[in-house]
Amino acid sequence: GAGVSQSPSNKVTEKGKDVELRCDPISGHTALYWYRQSLGQGLEFLIYFQGNSAPDKSGLPSDRFSAERTGGSVSTLTIQRTQQEDSAVYLCASSLPAGGLAFHNEQFFGPGTRLTVL
Amino acid sequence: AQSVTQLDSHVSVSEGTPVLLRCNYSSSYSPSLFWYVQHPNKGLQLLLKYTSAATLVKGINGFEAEFKKSETSFHLTKPSAHMSDAAEYFCVVSPNTGTASKLTFGTGTRLQVTL
Repeated sequence: GAGVSQSPSNKVTEKGKDVELRCDPISGHTALYWYRQSLGQGLEFLIYFQGNSAPDKSGLPSDRFSAERTGGSVSTLTIQRTQQEDSAVYLCASSLPAGGLAFHNEQFFGPGTRLTVL
Repeated sequence: AQSVTQLDSHVSVSEGTPVLLRCNYSSSYSPSLFWYVQHPNKGLQLLLKYTSAATLVKGINGFEAEFKKSETSFHLTKPSAHMSDAAEYFCVVSPNTGTASKLTFGTGTRLQVTL
């Protein structure tokens, strides 16, 4: 079956512009996560959505970052007024709810969006 | 609070020799522990996971890991390295709360396999 997909695969933007990154989770996965992978920082959690519950935004680095999940499926991560330090690979993952058939809390990752801010 | 420490940023082994990638964890809760692998220009793939069942966990591609609570360790091993094992490996912890929750990643260990 289809895995997690992300678009675009690469994005180059100028400092100060806004960008939107898209994630399509695996069908039926109610949990969706965003992570950032940057040189020298490793992989860091940004935000996650679980069904209709309020999202956990505790990992967002600043108020320039926001995310939405419409209809419990597709998610968009928006970065406003991009800065050079925002350059990184942004990874999306999804998982089944607790009690699902898959391994407990196994997250399936997309290929990522490589963001370069000039 | 939870964290993982991967003790080596880079490990180099010869093909056919054993692999040991070290990981220590810290968690306020009984944790779930995972190893993920990332090959160049590819997405993260789950190798194996521990969720409070058997302490010796077998994963894909001949890898296994042993959960040692007394040592707070979850080291990844493989008896014989293959060239295709060259990749970045991440030790990951998550609270074992029975609900979806964020993962906390280690900083990664780059495995190099030489002829």
